[in-house]
Amino acid sequence: EVQLVESGGALVQPGGSLRLSCSASGFTFSSYPMHWVRQTPGKGLEYLSRINHDARDRNYVDSVRGRFTVSRDNSKNTLYLQMNSLRPEDAALYYCVRDDGSNGLDYWGQGTLVTVSS
Amino acid sequence: DVVMTQSPLSLPVTLGQPASISCRSSQGLVHSDGNTYLNWFQQRPGQSPRRLIYKVSNRDSGVPDRFSGSGSGTDFTLKISRVEAEDVGVYYCMQGAHWPWTFGQGTKVEIK
Repeated sequence: EVQLVESGGALVQPGGSLRLSCSASGFTFSSYPMHWVRQTPGKGLEYLSRINHDARDRNYVDSVRGRFTVSRDNSKNTLYLQMNSLRPEDAALYYCVRDDGSNGLDYWGQGTLVTVSS
Repeated sequence: DVVMTQSPLSLPVTLGQPASISCRSSQGLVHSDGNTYLNWFQQRPGQSPRRLIYKVSNRDSGVPDRFSGSGSGTDFTLKISRVEAEDVGVYYCMQGAHWPWTFGQGTKVEIK
């Protein structure tokens, strides 16, 4: 059974940093591209970034490019999202999502909550 | 960015009756590889999203056959032939043809 478990969400002050982790199991993690998506009550689902299976290709949406960095450790079956220079508008529930490789996003984690406030 | 516009945003439905959700994209969703990357997700209350339909009309494993997807170009539709209580939630379309991938605003399905 595919499982994705995010962690690392917390309350952080504006301008602060946070690293999210996503532990994967139930599939060959090193074979799949992975993504981060966030959700807020006001903006719904917002796609953020992707990383291919071997981390050689990474992409970001404009709103986080230069502040967020996606990475992965295939030896640990773990996906990461390093978030710097956090803003109040970055407050959201952050999901890691698997890409099945041919049809797009399929399995989602349960999410980890990030709050940005002073 | 490709804008995905769903309608309606709220859909009250009687149990056993059909439901239909529209998703329109601001540009065509045919990828350079020839595939149309339009997916549908269901998010039940308190749960993470779950994919129902991929590439317009393909149902994921375990998805009841009362769910169907159709469309082409910029107009796509998710239909539920007979709504059941477990179908309550928010439904999102998402395009994966053009970077950055984008979601629709979501359609909330509730029982009348």
